[in-house]
Amino acid sequence: DVKVTQSSRYLVKRTGEKVFLECVQDMDHENMFWYRQDPGLGLRLIYFSYDVKMKEKGDIPEGYSVSREKKERFSLILESASTNQTSMYLCASSLTGKGTEAFFGQGTRLTVV
Amino acid sequence: AQSVAQPEDQVNVAEGNPLTVKCTYSVSGNPYLFWYVQYPNRGLQFLLKYITGDNLVKGSYGFEAEFNKSQTSFHLKKPSALVSDSALYFCAVRDWRSNYQLIWGAGTKLIIKP
Repeated sequence: DVKVTQSSRYLVKRTGEKVFLECVQDMDHENMFWYRQDPGLGLRLIYFSYDVKMKEKGDIPEGYSVSREKKERFSLILESASTNQTSMYLCASSLTGKGTEAFFGQGTRLTVV
Repeated sequence: AQSVAQPEDQVNVAEGNPLTVKCTYSVSGNPYLFWYVQYPNRGLQFLLKYITGDNLVKGSYGFEAEFNKSQTSFHLKKPSALVSDSALYFCAVRDWRSNYQLIWGAGTKLIIKP
């Protein structure tokens, strides 16, 4: 059974903290993604990676960075957390190809206070 | 511009009745379309996809979707709704202009009443 695992379901962090969200997939997928989900806005792409050490900005990269040192792991970093980064964060992975579907982790609900 | 629209924020259906969740798209070239479901406080689960071929696509949990090229629509359907189908549903389309990333609709909340 395919699996994408996010390290935390719920996180509470203070403003200004550096926050790490970890994601691991066991499907040997080339592509990995970080999305942010807010009510009424759907899913917005923060960053994606199509290979180890490769990354590309999505629609809303400001305030975030990513790291992909190994194929199975994709980390999202909030350099200095702010209250407007309170959100649900979703990690996904997929094979390369136009018709391939993405597989999602269970999500991390981050609250910045 | 390539886009996906889910015109209804919420759809209410009585249990046992047929349900439809609407999706329309705007893309250049052949569309690659997807439906996902999200249960409360969970990640998204893939339901079905249209790549090519038969316009009626069957997916998980008894769902199906009808691709209509002339109306640029890909509506999600189920003949008989269950209370457990209550969830948030997302339609998505591949964007060939940005490395085939997915463009997402805003989501439709489906509520099935007993």
